[in-house]
Amino acid sequence: KAGVTQTPRYLIKTRGQQVTLSCSPISGHRSVSWYQQTPGQGLQFLFEYFSETQRNKGNFPGRFSGRQFSNSRSEMNVSTLELGDSALYLCASSFPRTSGGRSENEQFFGPGTRLTVL
Amino acid sequence: GDSVTQMEGPVTLSEEAFLTINCTYTATGYPSLFWYVQYPGEGLQLLLKATKADDKGSNKGFEATYRKETTSFHLEKGSVQVSDSAVYFCALSVPLTGRRALTFGSGTRLQVQP
Repeated sequence: KAGVTQTPRYLIKTRGQQVTLSCSPISGHRSVSWYQQTPGQGLQFLFEYFSETQRNKGNFPGRFSGRQFSNSRSEMNVSTLELGDSALYLCASSFPRTSGGRSENEQFFGPGTRLTVL
Repeated sequence: GDSVTQMEGPVTLSEEAFLTINCTYTATGYPSLFWYVQYPGEGLQLLLKATKADDKGSNKGFEATYRKETTSFHLEKGSVQVSDSAVYFCALSVPLTGRRALTFGSGTRLQVQP
């Protein structure tokens, strides 16, 4: 089974531009989450989508947005880029299920998109 | 809120040495606990997990036990190899309460020397 794929792998933009990143989850997975990784802040949760609906959102400004399509593929968009948006953006997919009465949430990560804002 | 605290790195060991990376957590509710590993230039790979108290997760010689009484999930390996050099992240989520997003520790870099 193919893993999570993210495109593009590398991206260079300038301040003020906008950018769209894409994520294709593992086949059959319906939940997609996005995370930002920076040296200073570490790994931070951006948002989660399930069945085309945003279910959870992290503490990021409204410039960060996302969506999910009917085939579970997801995109995230960052508008009016700032230097501080330079980061590795990671996408993770999961197939939420219950096992032994407990809800499980094992997330599988893609290789990430390295965004550099100049 | 939820939080995860890991020991500061880098941790530098010789090949075949014993590894321990400490991880403690704070969470409301009953979290699931994870260890992820990140190799240079790559995304995160799930190394092991535990979903209830006293569960032991294990994979590739790594082990961690979910200790509810000490709110800990320390990662151990009996004999490290150069190929284990990577950054290790402890994480939790509390899916039953709807907090499905992973909360990560700051990561611990492991360097194994031949």
